Amino acid sequence: QKEVEQNSGPLSVPEGAIASLNCTYSDRGSQSFFWYRQYSGKSPELIMFIYSNGDKEDGRFTAQLNKASQYVSLLIRDSQPSDSATYLCAVNYRGGNKLTFGTGTQLKVEL
Amino acid sequence: GAVVSQHPSWVICKSGTSVKIECRSLDFQATTMFWYRQFPKQSLMLMATSNEGSKATYEQGVEKDKFLINHASLTLSTLTVTSAHPEDSSFYICSAPSQGGTDTQYFGPGTRLTVL
Repeated sequence: QKEVEQNSGPLSVPEGAIASLNCTYSDRGSQSFFWYRQYSGKSPELIMFIYSNGDKEDGRFTAQLNKASQYVSLLIRDSQPSDSATYLCAVNYRGGNKLTFGTGTQLKVEL
Repeated sequence: GAVVSQHPSWVICKSGTSVKIECRSLDFQATTMFWYRQFPKQSLMLMATSNEGSKATYEQGVEKDKFLINHASLTLSTLTVTSAHPEDSSFYICSAPSQGGTDTQYFGPGTRLTVL
């Protein structure tokens, strides 16, 4: 059973702080890793993807991948109330475009 | 990024009726599209892979005779929920892979189905 696990939260951080979201996956054959943001009642929107070990930065977002430990994380710097949403981690197993999603972490950025 | 549309955005129907949901790729061609279902406070569950010009591939536990998928063109896939029942009420979302050599998927806005 291929699994992607996330802490459901909610994770509460004050405005301006760094939010750290974590995800672990079970299959070492996983190749691609994605973070999606989903607002309540809306469909997911892609934030970042990462393929290689290490960090990948895009604006206030940094994805970190550690294949040896089978985890991928998302850091959000200078968190804003508009970042309050559910963040979904998704993993692509051995290509083919099929994604397996974690259950999501709810983030709340408080004023 | 690529744009994927869905229609309708929401639908309410009576138990026993059939509902068709359309998924379109607006600015690119998609030989493959995916259909997901999401129940409240749960994650997305892949239902099936829609393949242009051939039969859809269904995930384990998804009834292919109940959830009919047709991918008749490179820009349109349809999901028909046949003989809908209240337990089919959910958020149905389609997606299409990007064309840029990555594995990313772009999601449609979703269809909220409520079966009375």
